[in-house]
Amino acid sequence: NAGVTQTPKFQVLKTGQSMTLQCAQDMNHNSMYWYRQDPGMGLRLIYYSASEGTTDKGEVPNGYNVSRLNKREFSLRLESAAPSQTSVYFCASSRDRGSYVQYFGPGTRLTVT
Amino acid sequence: AQSVTQPDIHITVSEGASLELRCNYSYGATPYLFWYVQSPGQGLQLLLKYFSGDTLVQGIKGFEAEFKRSQSSFNLRKPSVHWSDAAEYFCAVGPGTDSWGKLQFGAGTQVVVTP
Repeated sequence: NAGVTQTPKFQVLKTGQSMTLQCAQDMNHNSMYWYRQDPGMGLRLIYYSASEGTTDKGEVPNGYNVSRLNKREFSLRLESAAPSQTSVYFCASSRDRGSYVQYFGPGTRLTVT
Repeated sequence: AQSVTQPDIHITVSEGASLELRCNYSYGATPYLFWYVQSPGQGLQLLLKYFSGDTLVQGIKGFEAEFKRSQSSFNLRKPSVHWSDAAEYFCAVGPGTDSWGKLQFGAGTQVVVTP
């Protein structure tokens, strides 16, 4: 039982490049989330998926897209990376939208130069 | 507007000493309250949560937190800190105004433990 896994762990991109961050959970959770963590700002919600087949914007969605591929997987895509997207990205999951207990992956450290 | 404030950005504590981390919130109703810990290079792990009932909540790793409605606070405490408690601690609250299962996180408090 791995919980929430994320790939890659580290990534360096040049401005304008695109990439997809992968997230998978094996806890049979319905809801999944993408956050970014920046110094002094805590975690901010980018996008979330209440259940398979649905996605919604969070607090800071600009410059990102998501795909809920199936119940297990929730990916985050940067179409044209910008230096402002340099951050640590965390994926999380919860049993359902009524459960506020979230389980986090180990994070992806992204640097955009 | 809803907000979560952790007034202390950085705290240094001696091993064996007590620790208290502050968290204040501004919400229209009684929120659900959480403390998470992030060890270096790791994801966040839930320490404890408060939904309702007894205002003193026990969590993992010897931590506890007390909900004080009158002060809009949910402070985290540990009587005797171990070197392994060095980490960043986040207070979080939910639900938001749309009453969905989203959490709002504070900016975090970095805890350094000295020998």
